[in-house]
Parts: sequence; structure tokens; C-alpha cells
Amino acid sequence: SQELEQSPQSLIVQEGKNLTINCTSSKTLYGLYWYKQKYGEGLIFLMMLQKGGEEKSHEKITAKLDEKKQQSSLHITASQPSHAGIYLCGADVSRSGGGADGLTFGKGTHLIIQP
Amino acid sequence: DAGITQSPRYKITETGRQVTLMCHQTWSHSYMFWYRQDLGHGLRLIYYSAAADITDKGEVPDGYVVSRSKTENFPLTLESATRSQTSVYFCASSEWGQIYEQYFGPGTRLTVT
Repeated sequence: SQELEQSPQSLIVQEGKNLTINCTSSKTLYGLYWYKQKYGEGLIFLMMLQKGGEEKSHEKITAKLDEKKQQSSLHITASQPSHAGIYLCGADVSRSGGGADGLTFGKGTHLIIQP
Repeated sequence: DAGITQSPRYKITETGRQVTLMCHQTWSHSYMFWYRQDLGHGLRLIYYSAAADITDKGEVPDGYVVSRSKTENFPLTLESATRSQTSVYFCASSEWGQIYEQYFGPGTRLTVT
């Protein structure tokens, strides 16, 4: 089965600083998804990457998938209190892609923003 | 209300009892999923469904039963609850052709005593 390792497990960052969260797969990723979860709430979709070398940005968050499609990073620039939460990476469990057979998730990275 | 809803939001039940968690989505999405979230394990897929009357097992299906008689509903039943099933349960849905984005419900926190 595919396993996703996220690092770090937790992160405390001063407001305004940049930070990076990593997600490493034991197998080739056919689709890599980033979600954010606020404590006690559901998951909010951030971005999805499919192609090796792909990079996507939304507001101050940038996600990249490496050329070998086994590692992804999520970078936040000039962090704000609204960025606090749990960030999870998820991967397609099937080669057909698209997440139709469900996703395998990493254990998450807890991000705390200090004012 | 539009979107994906779960009920109840919180549930305490005793070992051995049957309990059903409800999931309802208003988008008529084809795909629906059930995950459980546990400390140290993250989110794990329990069951999923590609359409009404089509369901498949995920990573951790033992002890759970699902049905999908209508597109918009995907109930999850614990036939005889055990303490190991204490968890937060999330339902999600997505549409064929746009299945990259799974929309998640707010979750149900279940405690089995």
C-alpha cells in the first residue's frame, strides 16, 4: 500500500515568516492533493498536482511536485494567523487517477502561527 | 442547506450497540467516501461509492456497513460498536470529471464506551 510521510509533524512559526511542509511517498504519485483542516472541522481542498515538476500557487501558498513524482512541498509565504491548522497531503490510491477510489493521507502537519 | 452535511455531529454509544452515521450531499455528486481520522493514523478510507448501489471497501472496512440507495445519501453503520471505533468520521463527495476535489463534511465525533 502507498504510504505518505509528512514532515514536520508540527511547526510553530512567527507571524510573517515563511515555512515549508513536505510530503514524501513510498511510491510514484499519480495525483497529490493538499488539504487544510481547522481544528474540529472538515477538510478544505487547497491544490492538486499531477505532473512531475508541476507547481501551483494560490494566494500565499505554493505547492510543488518533484520530477520523480514522489515528493511534494507546500510553501507558505509571509504566514498569517489564518494559516494555522492541520495540513494534510493525500494521494491517489489507483493509477487511474482522479481520486475515484479514495485517497491515502499523510498524518498531517500541525501549524501554529505565533503573533 | 447546500453542501455536504453529517449527522449527528457528536455521538456517544455503548460497546455492542448498532449506530448509523448519516451523510447527505446536495450536489448530486457521483462519488462518496467515508474516512475515519485517528491520532497517529491520520485519515483512513473505510468505504467508497461510485454511484447509487455501487460500493467498495477501502483500507479499513471491517466492522462497518454502507449502503447507497439514493445518490445524495451514504450512511455508515457500525453493526456492533467497539471501543476501537471511537474516532472522528468524515464523509466526502466528488463529481465524475471533477473528482480531483473531494468536498468534506464537518465530521462526526463518535465515542464508544
